[in-house]
Amino acid sequence: SQQGEEDPQALSIQEGENATMNCSYKTSINNLQWYRQNSGRGLVHLILIRSNEREKHSGRLRVTLDTSKKSSSLLITASRAADTASYFCATGEANAGKSTFGDGTTLTVKP
Amino acid sequence: KAGVTQTPRYLIKTRGQQVTLSCSPISGHRSVSWYQQTPGQGLQFLFEYFSETQRNKGNFPGRFSGRQFSNSRSEMNVSTLELGDSALYLCASSALQGTNEKLFFGSGTQLSVL
Repeated sequence: SQQGEEDPQALSIQEGENATMNCSYKTSINNLQWYRQNSGRGLVHLILIRSNEREKHSGRLRVTLDTSKKSSSLLITASRAADTASYFCATGEANAGKSTFGDGTTLTVKP
Repeated sequence: KAGVTQTPRYLIKTRGQQVTLSCSPISGHRSVSWYQQTPGQGLQFLFEYFSETQRNKGNFPGRFSGRQFSNSRSEMNVSTLELGDSALYLCASSALQGTNEKLFFGSGTQLSVL
């Protein structure tokens, strides 16, 4: 089964609103990353947060990590139609040497 | 710098055939990973190569294999294709071994098995 589970599976909002998506994982991690994927294309790295960090910002993105709850959230503020995409969390597992991806959240931003 | 390049972009094969997919990583990246993406199973890790050696392998049958050349380019081969192999195959490169850090993805090869 996948390491990460994302919630919600789908999210539809109006332009200008904030979008929050959550990721839960099962094992110890070195870091957690968020990626964006436009339909049928490759994934684009958005942000990485290390296991000893609690919050990180990048432009309109804010990521939090709670290792005690094994969960992370991605907040996109002031969303735009161009943010419409699928968003995946990926965990860099300790001693596993690979990143494991969640099932993704499909975000639709309506103009 | 050029990004990760995957060829071909689309491929149609029939059951029983074999297929080879190609991936050229970002210049200077020595780690190449392969993922299979399907609507039902999501992104599944296939394997990772670093300096021409397979370092990690996912839970896929032996029909799935790969290799990496001295210039870091990688190929993935699937033999005796099955309908369930229809998927988007994504290649990702990284400057570091172990793919625990930032991955740079290609646009993928969409494989359809008829």
